Amino acid sequence: AQTVTQSQPEMSVQEAETVTLSCTYDTSESDYYLFWYKQPPSRQMILVIRQEAYKQQNATENRFSVNFQKAAKSFSLKISDSQLGDAAMYFCACLDSNYQLIWGAGTKLIIKP
Amino acid sequence: NAGVMQNPRHLVRRRGQEARLRCSPMKGHSHVYWYRQLPEEGLKFMVYLQKENIIDESGMPKERFSAEFPKEGPSILRIQQVVRGDSAAYFCASSPGLEYNEQFFGPGTRLTVL
Repeated sequence: AQTVTQSQPEMSVQEAETVTLSCTYDTSESDYYLFWYKQPPSRQMILVIRQEAYKQQNATENRFSVNFQKAAKSFSLKISDSQLGDAAMYFCACLDSNYQLIWGAGTKLIIKP
Repeated sequence: NAGVMQNPRHLVRRRGQEARLRCSPMKGHSHVYWYRQLPEEGLKFMVYLQKENIIDESGMPKERFSAEFPKEGPSILRIQQVVRGDSAAYFCASSPGLEYNEQFFGPGTRLTVL
């Protein structure tokens, strides 16, 4: 069965510093996609970054980047120069050919001013 | 181009009542997905629909829950005889098709059962 695990219920970081959120997944598919979503207090799901499994190059979106380790089935999110607006729940999710997004339990990110 | 619309944003029901949640996908999107988020948890897949067809409802409880996506109008998630355990946020997502690997999410409907 496909699973996504986020082992950090909560993380905190000083404003302007860098933080890494962990995610591991398990899938039997060879072709799949990985996502990080941000859920602020408004509860809107906002796509932060995505990675296609067949691409070896790590995805990057401005201050957000991933460390995709396919063999280890690891997909961590690095946030550089953390800002107060980054405070939110962050969810890792996996989409395979079964079209269902499988979600981790989330990591609450706290930004200390 | 308007995003995925869901209404109502908040819904309060007493035990035993019916809840109807609506989702209008993005323009041009014919695939709709419903997810449920319990407090302090990630989202869980419920059902996947295309216009007039239920493709996969493996995540939907067998009783009291139903979903439809008619030819015209929004997709509806219906919960009959609600119980307190149904209290959750229900998210709808849409995509143009399976070949497109991103699902676009609506703002969610928060259902509270008293």
